[in-house]
Amino acid sequence: DAGVIQSPRHEVTEMGQEVTLRCKPISGHDYLFWYRQTMMRGLELLIYFNNNVPIDDSGMPEDRFSAKMPNASFSTLKIQPSEPRDSAVYFCASSSRVSSTDTQYFGPGTRLTVL
Amino acid sequence: TQLLEQSPQFLSIQEGENLTVYCNSSSVFSSLQWYRQEPGEGPVLLVTVVTGGEVKKLKRLTFQFGDARKDSSLHITAAQPGDTGLYLCAGYDYKLSFGAGTTVTVRA
Repeated sequence: DAGVIQSPRHEVTEMGQEVTLRCKPISGHDYLFWYRQTMMRGLELLIYFNNNVPIDDSGMPEDRFSAKMPNASFSTLKIQPSEPRDSAVYFCASSSRVSSTDTQYFGPGTRLTVL
Repeated sequence: TQLLEQSPQFLSIQEGENLTVYCNSSSVFSSLQWYRQEPGEGPVLLVTVVTGGEVKKLKRLTFQFGDARKDSSLHITAAQPGDTGLYLCAGYDYKLSFGAGTTVTVRA
């Protein structure tokens, strides 16, 4: 079975440009999570969806960040305008449920560099 | 400020040695998970511990959840180069909060 798919794997852009990261969760999983990983702050939850509806976006850094999930098999994380401090690895994860014993399956990540 | 503090931050040992990684918090969690992440990949779940005092073994890896469900440890016996990676602990309280991780390098 295919795991979580993310694209692109690497993105280099210039400050001020719009960046769109894409994620395809595992089929049948109702929950989708976006995380950001940096050396300074580790792995942080940005937002998560249940059945395509955003449930908790308290981790989204600021209005420059937005996330959508138009259907059960696709989600995007957009940064507009991008800034150098947005440079990080962005992970998408999915799970069939959310509980204390739930397993989240992570994608390979998108490494974003903003110059 | 990290909700979960991991120590040490880096660990480099020789093949065959033992190692222990610690995960501490002032908060109580419903469960605690350990993940391993290899370069260029996403974290992969190793184990979930739920009950205070619980001990789980996964081959050469032993995981323990503190009695008060605030801390955990990961012990690797006779480490191998394949154990090299970033080890992350994550506490569950309606959502996962991750520690900063411990980078483990096992030299052949």
